[in-house]
Amino acid sequence: DGGITQSPKYLFRKEGQNVTLSCEQNLNHDAMYWYRQDPGQGLRLIYYSQIVNDFQKGDIAEGYSVSREKKESFPLTVTSAQKNPTAFYLCASTDLQTGDYGYTFGSGTRLTVV
Amino acid sequence: KQEVTQIPAALSVPEGENLVLNCSFTDSAIYNLQWFRQDPGKGLTSLLLIQSSQREQTSGRLNASLDKSSGRSTLYIAASQPGDSATYLCAVSLYGNKLVFGAGTILRVKS
Repeated sequence: DGGITQSPKYLFRKEGQNVTLSCEQNLNHDAMYWYRQDPGQGLRLIYYSQIVNDFQKGDIAEGYSVSREKKESFPLTVTSAQKNPTAFYLCASTDLQTGDYGYTFGSGTRLTVV
Repeated sequence: KQEVTQIPAALSVPEGENLVLNCSFTDSAIYNLQWFRQDPGKGLTSLLLIQSSQREQTSGRLNASLDKSSGRSTLYIAASQPGDSATYLCAVSLYGNKLVFGAGTILRVKS
């Protein structure tokens, strides 16, 4: 079955560490997205990419970095510059060719600072 | 800036009841609107996708309507079941890209 795989499911980060969250999709979707979810809030866009080797900042990009070296993969690095990284991170994708732009989401990674 | 509001924030109903969840958005120039379901600690599952040219979409016991001119959408759930308990999220897209989400409605269906 096609879908989005996020790993790990749980991640613990020490102060000052960089950590990388993985997102892989086998849907052949062009566009991929990273969202952050905090309790009681809607999802907020961190970064997105519509084509390999290109990506754009979302609303809350500070302290995060991404790469898009392959169409299937869009890893997110949470750097030490992100002051409050504890949150639930969701990866999504959509097919830009069909025109309906329905989104598919992964199962998420919960990041906790210890 | 597009803002999305969902009312109510939480809802508790007895099993079998029909219910309506509301979503409003400030900029009517949307490309589409999507309703999602989220179970605790899980990712989002797409329920219904309504394009800007459509008025409603149906899937099983779910029906979503869209009124672009008034900036509103409703999700109607018929004959609710305990398995419907989850958070329901509404999201709009302005250009087919970059979804803007509401904060969600937490639904509890009591058996």
